[in-house]
Amino acid sequence: AQSVAQPEDQVNVAEGNPLTVKCTYSVSGNPYLFWYVQYPNRGLQFLLKYITGDNLVKGSYGFEAEFNKSQTSFHLKKPSALVSDSALYFCAVRNRYSSASKIIFGSGTRLSIRP
Amino acid sequence: KAGVTQTPRYLIKTRGQQVTLSCSPISGHRSVSWYQQTPGQGLQFLFEYFSETQRNKGNFPGRFSGRQFSNSRSEMNVSTLELGDSALYLCASSGGGISGTEAKNIQYFGAGTRLSVL
Repeated sequence: AQSVAQPEDQVNVAEGNPLTVKCTYSVSGNPYLFWYVQYPNRGLQFLLKYITGDNLVKGSYGFEAEFNKSQTSFHLKKPSALVSDSALYFCAVRNRYSSASKIIFGSGTRLSIRP
Repeated sequence: KAGVTQTPRYLIKTRGQQVTLSCSPISGHRSVSWYQQTPGQGLQFLFEYFSETQRNKGNFPGRFSGRQFSNSRSEMNVSTLELGDSALYLCASSGGGISGTEAKNIQYFGAGTRLSVL
């Protein structure tokens, strides 16, 4: 069965410092991996995805994520955090070999950037 | 291109009533998925419709149902509402790519319908 784990409910970072939001996954075969962000009273917005190729994926708003197959991880990173990055972040996984497979979301990590 | 539109944005119902939520996907998208989001349970998958057929279903009771129309618009219905059904209901659309490659598609979310059951 597919699963996604975001081990941290909350991550607190000072503005200007690098940030990491962790995600590990469990899925048979090679997965498709996604990060989404949710601002208050809004739906989820796509940030980036890993399909194939380079393990370092660059996305919106200066975010990037590194796919690590041996550790089954897909951590979200940003070199320099902004207060406006404060939001709820979701990691998601989908089995690439089934177009009918469900997309599974992690429990979410609340990122708080202090000025 | 217009985004995913969910109506209404807010709903207040009482226990035992039923409710219908609507979702209009992005033009050309054939897949519509529904999610329930609560502070305690996080984001839980309800079901997915593709070309008017339910393709996937989550672990929710039969009180939760949905359908998709020929224009890809989707509705979700909850009957005999319970207090625990209070949540933000999100709809997401995707697709429009080459058949067999849908799994890599991005899901685009609407702003959600916030349902409060009193």
